[in-house]
Amino acid sequence: EAGVTQFPSHSVIEKGQTVTLRCDPISGHDNLYWYRRVMGKEIKFLLHFVKESKQDESGMPNNRFLAERTGGTYSTLKVQPAELEDSGVYFCASSQVKGRLSEQYFGPGTRLTVT
Amino acid sequence: AQKITQTQPGMFVQEKEAVTLDCTYDTSDPSYGLFWYKQPSSGEMIFLIYQGSYDQQNATEGRYSLNFQKARKSANLVISASQLGDSAMYFCAMRHGFQKLVFGTGTRLLVSP
Repeated sequence: EAGVTQFPSHSVIEKGQTVTLRCDPISGHDNLYWYRRVMGKEIKFLLHFVKESKQDESGMPNNRFLAERTGGTYSTLKVQPAELEDSGVYFCASSQVKGRLSEQYFGPGTRLTVT
Repeated sequence: AQKITQTQPGMFVQEKEAVTLDCTYDTSDPSYGLFWYKQPSSGEMIFLIYQGSYDQQNATEGRYSLNFQKARKSANLVISASQLGDSAMYFCAMRHGFQKLVFGTGTRLLVSP
């Protein structure tokens, strides 16, 4: 079974440009989460999808960030326009609905550098 | 508010020794789950161990065990017989239901030969 995949693995863009990150969750996982780790700080939650619906987007920093999950499969996170403080590692995670543990499986992350 | 505190920014241990990584948490919800993740230098997040708030026994997974002290709100990770490959960042996290994970700031563990 394939794990959570993220694309690209690295992205270097200039301030003001647009970047779109993609996450493909594990097949059959309805829950999809985006997290971000800014250098030296804790990993922070951005938002949570259940299928194609946004369950919780309380962690989205501002309206420059737009997340979508069309059809309840893969998700994209667009940053437009990017700012220097958006640099960090963006993680995607997915989990099944059922099960006591419902462990969140993480992707390898996308390292975003805004210059 | 939910909060995870990891007070050890860095820990050193010799190969084959045991090490304890500290984690305390704060929540007013009686139902929660506690997780430990490992992040090696390659960057991926690897799930290690889980403890549910109603679990009577401490969780164990191979060389990993979770010292769960509910009254003290602590969930320390114990790694026995450390290996060089255990060198990594370790994150403690908490979750309620299917909600978001709340992470601590992490502890960097360095295992020396």
